[in-house]
Amino acid sequence: DQQVKQNSPSLSVQEGRISILNCDYTNSMFDYFLWYKKYPAEGPTFLISISSIKDKNEDGRFTVFLNKSAKHLSLHIVPSQPGDSAVYFCAASARVYGNKLVFGAGTILRVKS
Amino acid sequence: DADVTQTPRNRITKTGKRIMLECSQTKGHDRMYWYRQDPGLGLRLIYYSFDVKDINKGEISDGYSVSRQAQAKFSLSLESAIPNQTALYFCATSEQGPSSYNEQFFGPGTRLTVL
Repeated sequence: DQQVKQNSPSLSVQEGRISILNCDYTNSMFDYFLWYKKYPAEGPTFLISISSIKDKNEDGRFTVFLNKSAKHLSLHIVPSQPGDSAVYFCAASARVYGNKLVFGAGTILRVKS
Repeated sequence: DADVTQTPRNRITKTGKRIMLECSQTKGHDRMYWYRQDPGLGLRLIYYSFDVKDINKGEISDGYSVSRQAQAKFSLSLESAIPNQTALYFCATSEQGPSSYNEQFFGPGTRLTVL
C-alpha cells in the first residue's frame, strides 16, 4: 500500500515550457514534503520542500504547491531546460514517525530541445 | 569531494553468497539510512540508524543486516544473497534536528546483481 504515489511514470515537455509533476499521498500525518532529483549513475539530490503549514514554496524556476485537503502536491518547473531531464521523486515525512522519508515511485522527465 | 561515498559501485554475485555494501560520510551527520531502488517502486527504506548505538528496521529489512561501526560508517550486509535482491542500493545521511525538516544526502549508489 503506497502512501506516496506518483501516477505518471514519465513526462515529456518542450524546452521553455512548463513541466508539472504530480504527487498524491494518503497519510494525513505527513507534515513535510520534499522533491528529489536523480540523474543516471548518481544518487538523488534534494530539490525543494514544503511544510504542511504552507501551500506554496518557490525557489527560482521551481515551485511546489501543496493542497492538503486533496492530499496532493505538485512541482512546477518554469521554464523547463534540457538539463532538467531526470527522475523526480516525491517524498513525505512525519515527525510522529521520526521524520523518516517515504518516497513515491518517481517520474521520468524528458525536456526536448 | 564526495560527502557520502559507497563501495563498491557495482557488484555481481551469486545466489547464496554473503556480501557487504559499505557507506562512509564526511558530513558529520548522526543519522544514516540504507535504501533500495527498484523500477516502479521508488526508494524503500531497509534500515536506519539515528546514532552509533541505535539501529532500526525499515520497511523491507528481511534478508538484510547492518552495522554502524562509527558515526561516519554504516554497512549493509546480505547474509545469503538471492536474485530478488538485485537492485540499486543507496546510503543517505541527515542531521538530527528538532523540526520536521529532514533533508537527506545520498551517496552515488551501488548496483548489485545477484545471479
